[in-house]
Amino acid sequence: KNEVEQSPQNLTAQEGEFITINCSYSVGISALHWLQQHPGGGIVSLFMLSSGKKKHGRLIATINIQEKHSSLHITASHPRDSAVYICAARGSNYQLIWGAGTKLIIKP
Amino acid sequence: GAGVSQSPRYKVAKRGQDVALRCDPISGHVSLFWYQQALGQGPEFLTYFQNEAQLDKSGLPSDRFFAERPEGSVSTLKIQRTQQEDSAVYLCASSLLAGGFGGLYEQYFGPGTRLTVT
Repeated sequence: KNEVEQSPQNLTAQEGEFITINCSYSVGISALHWLQQHPGGGIVSLFMLSSGKKKHGRLIATINIQEKHSSLHITASHPRDSAVYICAARGSNYQLIWGAGTKLIIKP
Repeated sequence: GAGVSQSPRYKVAKRGQDVALRCDPISGHVSLFWYQQALGQGPEFLTYFQNEAQLDKSGLPSDRFFAERPEGSVSTLKIQRTQQEDSAVYLCASSLLAGGFGGLYEQYFGPGTRLTVT
């Protein structure tokens, strides 16, 4: 069993739909990251959180420490949101434990 | 520069060739990380520098992989006698500090170098 698991692996939705990507982890963490990766490899950090909820534009990230679960939500999804979304857990040191990613496709 | 840069962006090497991948971190960032990302998978940690010191190289898959950061800024990942299984995207990230929580520890990623070994 991987220490960080994401679901779904692939998600296709229509423009405007509300999107939820889930991340469960089995290790103790100091922070959980959500990152976005577009074709071509570049990774952009979206959120880093250790409790509660963060919002940036149409993106919302929540984390439940007791349940070891985090979600990334996208409201009013748009084709430009199409990318791979990765959650990564960080323990007490610098190492990130990465999920396998969720490939999101938003159709116009 | 404003962000982490990597060069080349794409590299095709014949099996057995040596390659060198470069990472320019954000100016002033103490910590630098290299990751390897195989197709369809999440990144895997390779090595970590704090300034010029390589504090962790536990993720390097074999002794054909070598990384350096001689002056504590630019880093080079060298792969000797490349094999087909080395084909991947190599990501570099830097952070102001390492460990702990907060904006100072957030890792900023470069665009990656896609290495294809034929």
